[in-house]
Amino acid sequence: EPEVTQTPSHQVTQMGQEVILRCVPISNHLYFYWYRQILGQKVEFLVSFYNNEISEKSEIFDDQFSVERPDGSNFTLKIRSTKLEDSAMYFCASSQQGVANEKLFFGSGTQLSVL
Amino acid sequence: AQKVTQAQTEISVVEKEDVTLDCVYETRDTTYYLFWYKQPPSGELVFLIRRNSFDEQNEISGRYSWNFQKSTSSFNFTITASQVVDSAVYFCALSEATTGNQFYFGTGTSLTVIP
Repeated sequence: EPEVTQTPSHQVTQMGQEVILRCVPISNHLYFYWYRQILGQKVEFLVSFYNNEISEKSEIFDDQFSVERPDGSNFTLKIRSTKLEDSAMYFCASSQQGVANEKLFFGSGTQLSVL
Repeated sequence: AQKVTQAQTEISVVEKEDVTLDCVYETRDTTYYLFWYKQPPSGELVFLIRRNSFDEQNEISGRYSWNFQKSTSSFNFTITASQVVDSAVYFCALSEATTGNQFYFGTGTSLTVIP
């Protein structure tokens, strides 16, 4: 089965630094997502992206966050100035049609640790 | 308010025992979709099943079965004759027709199957 791939698997950064998390969605998918999971808590929606635009975002996705599809294959999440509370597992996901009944394909996640 | 509640944080069973993972959801939409995902130790989220709100038929797939009851807003997952490879965190999730492909996850149930 096709996979969503995420790099790096682990990222350690100092508070205040910028980080970029990278994802390669499944090639024929058009909708892309970022979710995060703080240790021991639920997986939370951050943002959805379609046609080079953000289509939905949660309250968590503030001005410190941005997403980009810099080329035909990558989808990135940038955190401009990391805070301790940004430490979490970040999951990228993709889907073909972006509708409610469609399953999401998730990557293996990037574990971000902010020191 | 939590849209998806998984009250069981951790469950341990001995191999070959049956185990049921509970999921209770809350939505005002009449059209919605329920999902179960498995998160093995490797970290990725693996799709297991999707049900729509109009289909209350229970589903069985090998050792896995799902019991969807709208009257109690529950979508429980049973593993029959558990195996060590079933050890993982299991997430229940909800998507609503009005919010598209945004998933609301529960906090997950960590299942440990003891050999």
